[in-house]
Amino acid sequence: AQSVTQLGSHVSVSEGALVLLRCNYSSSVPPYLFWYVQYPNQGLQLLLKYTSAATLVKGINGFEAEFKKSETSFHLTKPSAHMSDAAEYFCAVRTQTGANNLFFGTGTRLTVIP
Amino acid sequence: IAGITQAPTSQILAAGRRMTLRCTQDMRHNAMYWYRQDLGLGLRLIHYSNTAGTTGKGEVPDGYSVSRANTDDFPLTLASAVPSQTSVYFCASSASQGAASPLHFGNGTRLTVT
Repeated sequence: AQSVTQLGSHVSVSEGALVLLRCNYSSSVPPYLFWYVQYPNQGLQLLLKYTSAATLVKGINGFEAEFKKSETSFHLTKPSAHMSDAAEYFCAVRTQTGANNLFFGTGTRLTVIP
Repeated sequence: IAGITQAPTSQILAAGRRMTLRCTQDMRHNAMYWYRQDLGLGLRLIHYSNTAGTTGKGEVPDGYSVSRANTDDFPLTLASAVPSQTSVYFCASSASQGAASPLHFGNGTRLTVT
């Protein structure tokens, strides 16, 4: 079975500050990991994905995430927060043996303070 | 613009009534999914379809049914709605059922069962 845990349901950062959203996964087989962003009253939009090609993955809007097998982590970062980054962020995991489902974390709401 | 169209955008439904949520995609994706999103629980898979003519149960299938008569359409039916089915429902699709294939989401249907 696979799952993800997102530490911190709410994160606040100042505009221009580093964004760090935490995600830890649990999987008995090699995982495929994803970060999605959800703006109010919209669906989820793919930010980036890890599919074993490279451990540091760059996504849209300046976000990136690093896969660390030893720490079972896939934290999302952005060097400098913009007001437009305020949204809810979801980490998700999928495996070849359980490919019918993309398992989501419970989400982290990012607030950017001007 | 290619993507997923869900209808209706929102609906208030009396308990016991039947309701079908519509989902159409124009990306010619093989796999389609229905998720429900509830506060604090993230997204949970209701049903999925790996290809036209086949469907499968997800984490929370009770009270819901789906059909996949063709590639583009994947309706979700609540045979007799109950208040616990109040949620935001998202339809998604992926090019294949492979674990590396990301999901693309519609904008959701907000359903309130009274």
